[in-house]
Amino acid sequence: EAQVTQNPRYLITVTGKKLTVTCSQNMNHEYMSWYRQDPGLGLRQIYYSMNVEVTDKGDVPEGYKVSRKEKRNFPLILESPSPNQTSLYFCASSLGPPGGVGDGYTFGSGTRLTVV
Amino acid sequence: AQSVTQLGSHVSVSEGALVLLRCNYSSSVPPYLFWYVQYPNQGLQLLLKYTSAATLVKGINGFEAEFKKSETSFHLTKPSAHMSDAAEYFCAVIYASGGSYIPTFGRGTSLIVHP
Repeated sequence: EAQVTQNPRYLITVTGKKLTVTCSQNMNHEYMSWYRQDPGLGLRQIYYSMNVEVTDKGDVPEGYKVSRKEKRNFPLILESPSPNQTSLYFCASSLGPPGGVGDGYTFGSGTRLTVV
Repeated sequence: AQSVTQLGSHVSVSEGALVLLRCNYSSSVPPYLFWYVQYPNQGLQLLLKYTSAATLVKGINGFEAEFKKSETSFHLTKPSAHMSDAAEYFCAVIYASGGSYIPTFGRGTSLIVHP
């Protein structure tokens, strides 16, 4: 089954304790992105990647890191989490241009992170 | 900067009534446009997309959207609401200029369906 898999689904952690949220897709997609979803703010892009070793900042990159060493994986790293990073996080992937941009994104099921 | 605006954070309709969710984009160049739906405790699912072919786009679950260049709009409609349509709906836009092809999402509209 074609899908984007995120882990974990739920995570509670303490301020300053480094964590990684994993994301993997099995569709050979070039494009991958991380979003955070907060009430009233919709989805805001954190980082995106257009291919292996190619990443760029989105709208809210502060406090986050990513890497794209393999095409299928795009982990999100919080080196020193803070309470304002409590949110619902989504990973997404798409085939990419020229034709793939019209296919839209496939989303993971989300990771609900709470930082206390 | 590219943007997409969804009018109304909440829309409430009765079962069987028309559903209209509004989306406007800001660009003189027609972008790629999408509607996504998010059911409780789930990720987003693609509902339909506009990619410069037909201006009236039909999606899943009886939804459709019409691209109107003169109004820079891509409103989502459904003739008759079902209780199962209650969800959060997001409009998204991709502007192909600059080569990033990364979507920008609206803030979402929560659809409430009353019996």
